[in-house]
Amino acid sequence: EPEVTQTPSHQVTQMGQEVILRCVPISNHLYFYWYRQILGQKVEFLVSFYNNEISEKSEIFDDQFSVERPDGSNFTLKIRSTKLEDSAMYFCASSERAVQETQYFGPGTRLLVL
Amino acid sequence: DAKTTQPPSMDCAEGRAANLPCNHSTISGNEYVYWYRQIHSQGPQYIIHGLKNNETNEMASLIITEDRKSSTLILPHATLRDTAVYYCIVRVAHYGGATNKLIFGTGTLLAVQP
Repeated sequence: EPEVTQTPSHQVTQMGQEVILRCVPISNHLYFYWYRQILGQKVEFLVSFYNNEISEKSEIFDDQFSVERPDGSNFTLKIRSTKLEDSAMYFCASSERAVQETQYFGPGTRLLVL
Repeated sequence: DAKTTQPPSMDCAEGRAANLPCNHSTISGNEYVYWYRQIHSQGPQYIIHGLKNNETNEMASLIITEDRKSSTLILPHATLRDTAVYYCIVRVAHYGGATNKLIFGTGTLLAVQP
C-alpha cells in the first residue's frame, strides 16, 4: 500500500542552525502539507502546497519556514534558524486531487533543538 | 478551533466493540466527518469519513445521526493495538483547487484493556 515517507526520523540540532526535513508523498498525490505537534499538545497545521505554490499557511509558518518541491518526488520543509520552541514532531501529509481529499500522513520527524 | 467535542478518555475490553462518540452540533451541510487516530507519537492514521450515510470499511464503522449533529466511530473487535488517541474532525469538502487543512482537537484516548 502506498505511504508517505519522511526522513530523517530524528534530528538534533543547535539553536540557530538550519534544518531541512524531507518527505516523499504518495506518488499520484498533488496536494502536500506540513503539520507539527509539540510534545503533549495538539497536531497543528503549518502549510499546504499545490502546483508549486503555498496554498495556505498558518500564523506559525513565519519567515523562518519555507517549503519546496525540488523534484518530482520530494517535498521539503526548511527552518532557517531554529529556535528552542521549534522542537516538535513534524508530519508531512499528502492528498490526491479528489472530491474528498483524504490526507495521508507520514510517520514524522522528531526535531530537537538544543 | 476544532468544531467537535469528544470525551477525553475511554476504556474498552479487548475483543469487545469500542464506541467512540463525537459531537459536532454546528456542522454544515457540506462538511464531512473524518476520523483519524494517533498511536503514541506516530503520524495520524486515517480511519474513515462520511457525510450523512453510515459508512463501513475494513477498520471501522461510522454511524452519523440523522440530524448530523453527532457521530459514533465503532471498532467492532478492539485489540490492544487499537490503543490510541482518536480524533473526530469536521471539514469542508473542496472540489480541487482550495486547500483543506485539518484542525485537530484533543481527541479521545482509547485504552484497550486485556
